[in-house]
Amino acid sequence: SYEVTQPSSVSVSPGQTASITCSGDKLGDKYVCWYQQKPGQSPVLVIYQGSKRPSGIPERFSGSDSGNTATLTISGTQAVDEADYYCQAWDSSAALVFGGGTKLTVL
Amino acid sequence: QVQLQESGPGLVKPSETLSLTCTVSGDSIRSSAYYWGWVRQSPGMGLEWIGTTYYTGTTYNNPSLKSRVTISVDTSQNQFSLRLGSVTAADTAMYYCASGLAGSRQQAFDYWGQGTLVTVSS
Repeated sequence: SYEVTQPSSVSVSPGQTASITCSGDKLGDKYVCWYQQKPGQSPVLVIYQGSKRPSGIPERFSGSDSGNTATLTISGTQAVDEADYYCQAWDSSAALVFGGGTKLTVL
Repeated sequence: QVQLQESGPGLVKPSETLSLTCTVSGDSIRSSAYYWGWVRQSPGMGLEWIGTTYYTGTTYNNPSLKSRVTISVDTSQNQFSLRLGSVTAADTAMYYCASGLAGSRQQAFDYWGQGTLVTVSS
């Protein structure tokens, strides 16, 4: 079965740029999105189709993908961005998978 | 904007069937504008896709759960449901219903319920 891999944790200083990666075989051929989940809350979609932001998501969130890796970038990271982030991949075989999640710490 | 609310038993015995319902408000479940899905999260763990259904009746399920999962739609109640058979302790999780905008989101889920915790225990 298809798998995608994320780092378990990423740390960033306030105001700096955080990058969270998601890796999988030919990931660039699939549809990738990203979710933010804070403790005790439901996930929130922050990026879809690799690089598009839903309405209401701050501009500091951006996404990109190339080859086997997709990246979620948070520019000017704020304390409120501390959360778990999950990538999701979907392809035409109707298989949907989540990455294992990355805990973003802002310190 | 769609709102979703899960409901169902919080405790299920091993080997029995877990049954959950998601009530949709804000739009019709028959709308071609959305797809509807279930996602679960074991305590302290990551997200796991269970399955997704479309207004056409087509449903895709996680291959690892496929034989145990049934997702159905009740248009008269504006609800969709999950049935997971032969449960074990490994099925203990927070279960979320979710939906996404068909045609633009490519299976991303825009809307999520608050989740309902289901424990499998005798």
